[in-house]
Parts: sequence; C-alpha cells; structure tokens
Amino acid sequence: QVQLVESGGGVVQPGGSLRLSCAASGFTFNNYAIFWVRQAPGKGLEWVALIRYDGSDKYYADSVKGRFTISRDNSKNKLYLQMDSLRPEDTAVYYCARSRGYLDYWGQGTLVTVSS
Amino acid sequence: EIVLTQSPGTLSLSPGERATLSCRASQSVSSSDLAWYQQKPGQGPRLLIYGTSSRATGIPDRFSGSGSGTDFILTISRLEPEDFAVYYCQQYGSSPQTFGQGTKVEIK
Repeated sequence: QVQLVESGGGVVQPGGSLRLSCAASGFTFNNYAIFWVRQAPGKGLEWVALIRYDGSDKYYADSVKGRFTISRDNSKNKLYLQMDSLRPEDTAVYYCARSRGYLDYWGQGTLVTVSS
Repeated sequence: EIVLTQSPGTLSLSPGERATLSCRASQSVSSSDLAWYQQKPGQGPRLLIYGTSSRATGIPDRFSGSGSGTDFILTISRLEPEDFAVYYCQQYGSSPQTFGQGTKVEIK
C-alpha cells in the first residue's frame, strides 16, 4: 500500500536550519509530483513547496521562497525539504503528500518547532 | 490567489444526523479542481472527494460532494462516530493551490 513517512523534525533556534525527509513506498515514486504542506499548531493547512515527478520544476509559497529548498532522489524514493533561516512562524507539522492535482496520500507528519 | 471560506466554523450534531458543510470561493473554481479532506487529531489529512463529487478509494457513500462555480458542498448523509473530525476544502486548479480554514464537526 502507498506509504509516506516523514522524518527530521525537531527543535531549532531562530535562524537555524533543518532538513526534512519523506520516504515513499508502495507506488512508482518517479511518476508523481510531491508536495510539502504544513499546519501550524491549531491552524489550517498551508502548502509549502511542490516538486515535479522528475525534479525539473519546483514551486514555493511566498512565505518560504528563498529560505526553503525542495528536492528528491528518485533512486531512493525520497523527498527532502531543506529549511534555512527558520523563523518562529515556521513552527508547524510538516506533511508530504502525493499529488494528482488533488493530494491523494499524506504522511503522518513531522513537527518542527522554531524557538529560542 | 483564490480564497476559500468554509462555513460554519463548527457544526455540532448527533450520530445519525445529516451534516452539510459549505466551501465558498472568492472566484470561480472549475468543478474538476475542488477536493475535500478529513483530518482527525494527530493524523494527516485523508482525501475524501476530488473533482467536486468523485469519492476517493475506500470512502463510504454516505460522503458526497456537489457544487459549481464558487459554491461547493460536502454532505455526510448519516454521521457515524468516526466522522467527527475537521474537514477542509481545497482548490487545485489555480496557482497557488489553496485550502479553506476548516469546519469542525463535533458531537452534540
């Protein structure tokens, strides 16, 4: 069955960096675009970044542009999110989700806390 | 960007009752580009409906979606105990994709 498992979250100081990973299984990873979507505590969903199936195109929300970098390794069935210059407002659970336009499978999320 | 406004914010109902959730868009959304998700505490969202009215794999037929243009509806015909959760709509036809703020369906 389709599985997406995020990892790499934790506590980081403002201005710091963190790298999230998403391990995919149960489907042909290199056939699908993948999203990162985040959810601040008690809040709604916000898309963060999108990468096309072959990594050729990447898109970012204005709130993270220039600070976050999305990438993928199709040989390892893995997705990444490099987060630099982190701010307190980046505190959230980060989900990876498989895209068919709509997001048909989601992981359980990994919590990122930006705090001094 | 297209803003999606969901109403009501909270819906208090009893098991067996009918739930009607609204999602209104700030500009027209193609019927093929509107989805609904369910989220329970501590879990990632689960796709319920895509293309306004198509149920995702494994979703029971008590869930149905309808609407067009700027007004979309998610209906749960008879609430089961496992249906009490937060529901989000999403439009994915216009960049950036956007989500509504959510409707919480709670037990009355």
